[in-house]
Amino acid sequence: GQNIDQPTEMTATEGAIVQINCTYQTSGFNGLFWYQQHAGEAPTFLSYNVLDGLEEKGRFSSFLSRSKGYSYLLLKELQMKDSASYLCAVRPRGGSQGNLIFGKGTKLSVKP
Amino acid sequence: GAGVSQTPSNKVTEKGKYVELRCDPISGHTALYWYRQSLGQGPEFLIYFQGTGAADDSGLPNDRFFAVRPEGSVSTLKIQRTERGDSAVYLCASSLGLLGTEAFFGQGTRLTVV
Repeated sequence: GQNIDQPTEMTATEGAIVQINCTYQTSGFNGLFWYQQHAGEAPTFLSYNVLDGLEEKGRFSSFLSRSKGYSYLLLKELQMKDSASYLCAVRPRGGSQGNLIFGKGTKLSVKP
Repeated sequence: GAGVSQTPSNKVTEKGKYVELRCDPISGHTALYWYRQSLGQGPEFLIYFQGTGAADDSGLPNDRFFAVRPEGSVSTLKIQRTERGDSAVYLCASSLGLLGTEAFFGQGTRLTVV
């Protein structure tokens, strides 16, 4: 079966660093995405990993280990506006470009 | 337009009625996707268009759901004989159609079946 696991909720302090983990079990692998979704709004793209390693983009970094079926999203210098849900999504091998399997999302609350 | 536009933003319909949800993708984006999202869940894939054709409709839950994209731009998701379980936010996204390129989501249509 297809399964994406992420923590349901996390809390962190403004200015700190937080790591949101995602583990997946899918029928093969053809890329992993992270999206940010503020309450009541559309998801917005954060990162894409298809090879092992770390991808850095400003305050956000995403890591992938295909052998472990594991990814994490790292957010540095947290700001209040980073309070949102963070969605991990995997494209399984053989799946079409749009056929992403999403996790339920991790709701991050940033406190002052 | 500047982004993906979905109309209506909210739709309340009675059980058994027919509804159409519209998606206007970003100009020039050949790929278009429909997802639906229930409260507390991640988006669930429904269908993917490349141009005018449905490249993958494996996510459509049953034959009450149908989507078209006749000219390769605007798409309409059609739901017949709506059921209360169809209540969700229906999200549309578009992209340039290349693997790995980011998909831009619309604000969604919140469908409530009463």
